[in-house]
Amino acid sequence: GDSVTQMEGPVTLSEEACLTINCTYTATGYPSLFWYVQYPGEGLQLLLKATKADDKGSNKGFEATYRKETTSFHLEKGSVQVSDSAVYFCALSPYNNNDMRFGAGTRLTVKP
Amino acid sequence: GAGVSQSPSNKVTEKGKDVELRCDPISGHTALYWYRQSLGQGLEFLIYFQGNSAPDKSGLPSDRFSAERTGGSVSTLTIQRTQQEDSAVYLCASSETQREWETQYFGPGTRLLVL
Repeated sequence: GDSVTQMEGPVTLSEEACLTINCTYTATGYPSLFWYVQYPGEGLQLLLKATKADDKGSNKGFEATYRKETTSFHLEKGSVQVSDSAVYFCALSPYNNNDMRFGAGTRLTVKP
Repeated sequence: GAGVSQSPSNKVTEKGKDVELRCDPISGHTALYWYRQSLGQGLEFLIYFQGNSAPDKSGLPSDRFSAERTGGSVSTLTIQRTQQEDSAVYLCASSETQREWETQYFGPGTRLLVL
């Protein structure tokens, strides 16, 4: 069935370092792709999304591009901040389906 | 306005007992979702409600799990005869509609520990 696989954590970076969290998916049809973020002590919230191939989602300096040829949706940020420390979840929603499939999550810690 | 709220925030129960978890979605949101976040497993979809339609129960892991949504608003997830493997964080989310995968707003979750 449809699924996502994201890189395992934890990831520890220094402030202002570059971030890439890999996410690849397996799906039939054309799913929508998402990144959710969970800050310490808070619930999940949508970070960005892309609903068709070549779309780029962006928010708070984070970007991810829907790449159909490589079935990927890698999350990137050019310069991370301490406040970006959180768990990041890649997710997909199969086309025309109510379901949503999440990756296992990647914990990011940014040190000053 | 208030976001999605869930109660209790933490629940410790003994194996074999029944538990009820509550979710209050954002007012006016017609779609409501339950997920489970198990350690090392990521998030798992459980059940979905859209308005007054019959729920999509395809993600429920066993017949010990059930959920209802009264009046198209508050939802209760019930786990009967709890097992230790039911220990997880149970997350509820709501969205304004289910059209084009509108943003889902998540509650803080209920952390369930089955001893």
